[in-house]
Amino acid sequence: NAGVTQTPKFRILKIGQSMTLQCTQDMNHNYMYWYRQDPGMGLKLIYYSVGAGITDKGEVPNGYNVSRSTTEDFPLRLELAAPSQTSVYFCASSYDAGWDQPQHFGDGTRLSIL
Amino acid sequence: AQSVTQLGSHVSVSEGALVLLRCNYSSSVPPYLFWYVQYPNQGLQLLLKYTSAATLVKGINGFEAEFKKSETSFHLSKPSAHMSDAAEYFCAVSHYGGSQGNLIFGKGTKLSVKP
Repeated sequence: NAGVTQTPKFRILKIGQSMTLQCTQDMNHNYMYWYRQDPGMGLKLIYYSVGAGITDKGEVPNGYNVSRSTTEDFPLRLELAAPSQTSVYFCASSYDAGWDQPQHFGDGTRLSIL
Repeated sequence: AQSVTQLGSHVSVSEGALVLLRCNYSSSVPPYLFWYVQYPNQGLQLLLKYTSAATLVKGINGFEAEFKKSETSFHLSKPSAHMSDAAEYFCAVSHYGGSQGNLIFGKGTKLSVKP
């Protein structure tokens, strides 16, 4: 089972460049999430989606955009990369409302902005 | 507002010793609680979850956690540490009726296991 797949695994960007982090899941989950993980800080929610066509901001959405055109895919867009966006990004999904449902995580994208 | 505090950013134990990782939560409504494990260069994997059934929850790899409402705690334990348990562990909380994306994570505890 593939689960949640993230690409690329690593990327180095220059300040001001843009890129899209890809996330796809094959579990037919309605709920999808993007987190960033910084050392010693745990995970912070960037954006989430409760179904195709529906997205909402999390705790740290500034500098990012998302879209959800299909159930399977939930890409995260960085428009003008800044050094503060250097982080490890995780995509996750869950089947139901999420309150008592576990989230399934991808292996992450390690992004450096130089 | 909900929050999670994990006591100790680093914990080191000897192989075969008891593992105890501490998590305290703050929530004004009954919480759902989770423990996740993260191995190097991997995503988070669910170890166990508490959803208001039994207060002692058993998870994978021999781990268990006990929900204590009076202490607002959900500590994770394992009787005998194995080298393969070396990883980072995250406690997380959500609650029914909260924001759909509202899974709040602690800052994590890195577990080292000495031979």
